[in-house]
Amino acid sequence: GDSVTQMEGPVTLSEEAFLTINCTYTATGYPSLFWYVQYPGEGLQLLLKATKADDKGSNKGFEATYRKETTSFHLEKGSVQVSDSAVYFCALSDKGGSQGNLIFGKGTKLSVKP
Amino acid sequence: EPEVTQTPSHQVTQMGQEVILRCVPISNHLYFYWYRQILGQKVEFLVSFYNNEISEKSEIFDDQFSVERPDGSNFTLKIRSTKLEDSAMYFCASSDQRGVADTQYFGPGTRLTVL
Repeated sequence: GDSVTQMEGPVTLSEEAFLTINCTYTATGYPSLFWYVQYPGEGLQLLLKATKADDKGSNKGFEATYRKETTSFHLEKGSVQVSDSAVYFCALSDKGGSQGNLIFGKGTKLSVKP
Repeated sequence: EPEVTQTPSHQVTQMGQEVILRCVPISNHLYFYWYRQILGQKVEFLVSFYNNEISEKSEIFDDQFSVERPDGSNFTLKIRSTKLEDSAMYFCASSDQRGVADTQYFGPGTRLTVL
């Protein structure tokens, strides 16, 4: 079945460091791909999304490119801030599977130190 | 900005007891979802709900679970006879459409602890 695999955390970085959180997926159809973020004490918030191959989603300095050839959707940010400390979830929604229902990775906890 | 709310934030119950987790979706949304995350594991889809009926459910959503929209604002998840393995964070979500790329808005979650 469809699945999402993302790198294990926690990830600890210094402020202004470069961030990459890897995410790969398996899907039977043509999935849309998402990154959600969960700040402490809050719900999951959509960070960015991409709906087809080669699309790049971006928001708040984060970006991710839908790579069909490598079945990946890695999250990157050039210079992280302390306020980026949160748990990041990669997810997919597959037309061929559970339409509209999200399949998540385990989440990666990011801590950014001043 | 409108948001999904959930109550309680933390529920502790004894095994075998019934619990009801409550959610208030965003007011003009039509599609509602429950997900759960067992500690250290993935967020898993439980059920989706539209037009006062279940539209899809996962294998996890067995006979001990039920959902209801008792009035125009609340969306509830009932677990009839809780088991230890039901301990998890339960997230409610809503969206105004149900296409594959439509954004689901999540609540902050209810942490359920079954003793």
